Amino acid sequence: QKEVEQNSGPLSVPEGAIASLNCTYSDRGSQSFFWYRQYSGKSPELIMFIYSNGDKEDGRFTAQLNKASQYVSLLIRDSQPSDSATYLCAVNVGFGDGTTLTVKP
Amino acid sequence: SQTIHQWPATLVQPVGSPLSLECTVEGTSNPNLYWYRQAAGRGLQLLFYSVGIGQISSEVPQNLSASRPQDRQFILSSKKLLLSDSGFYLCAWTLGPLNEQFFGPGTRLTVL
Repeated sequence: QKEVEQNSGPLSVPEGAIASLNCTYSDRGSQSFFWYRQYSGKSPELIMFIYSNGDKEDGRFTAQLNKASQYVSLLIRDSQPSDSATYLCAVNVGFGDGTTLTVKP
Repeated sequence: SQTIHQWPATLVQPVGSPLSLECTVEGTSNPNLYWYRQAAGRGLQLLFYSVGIGQISSEVPQNLSASRPQDRQFILSSKKLLLSDSGFYLCAWTLGPLNEQFFGPGTRLTVL
């Protein structure tokens, strides 16, 4: 079992919709959780981090953490074509394989 | 502000040839440094990390090695490349093991 699991996708949503990305992890003692966005051929860039249970909002992005369920999610509201990318979930320094999101105009 | 540099950007090497990739960070002191490899369509595989000069931890046994000769310099090397070494190599820095990572632009390596 991989330490960090993500739905491989691809995930396709229409412009303006909410995109929901999910991630589970195996190490119950994990303390830091991150979401990175990676455009094709580019390096990952940080979009959200969360350390405590609950929700954290930043603009159109909301990260949700549930340590009891070992579950992290990322919601993207009002999705735009420019959000089309691969989204990587990271727990401590371990990464999932990413979920590719396509936002269709 | 902090910046991280990697070079070269792309590299095509024959099987059995040596490798040296360099990463440097500016604007911070004593960062934690990381080397990752990303195969096509996959996530990031942690190869090495370093918490200080001369301190290297290896996550995956393979024909690669890493060195940190200076505080803000991290080098990935190989004596003899394998086909399976092809991939996108990313260097990252962070202030501590629980902090967010910042990535360099990466080196795309193709071994033929």
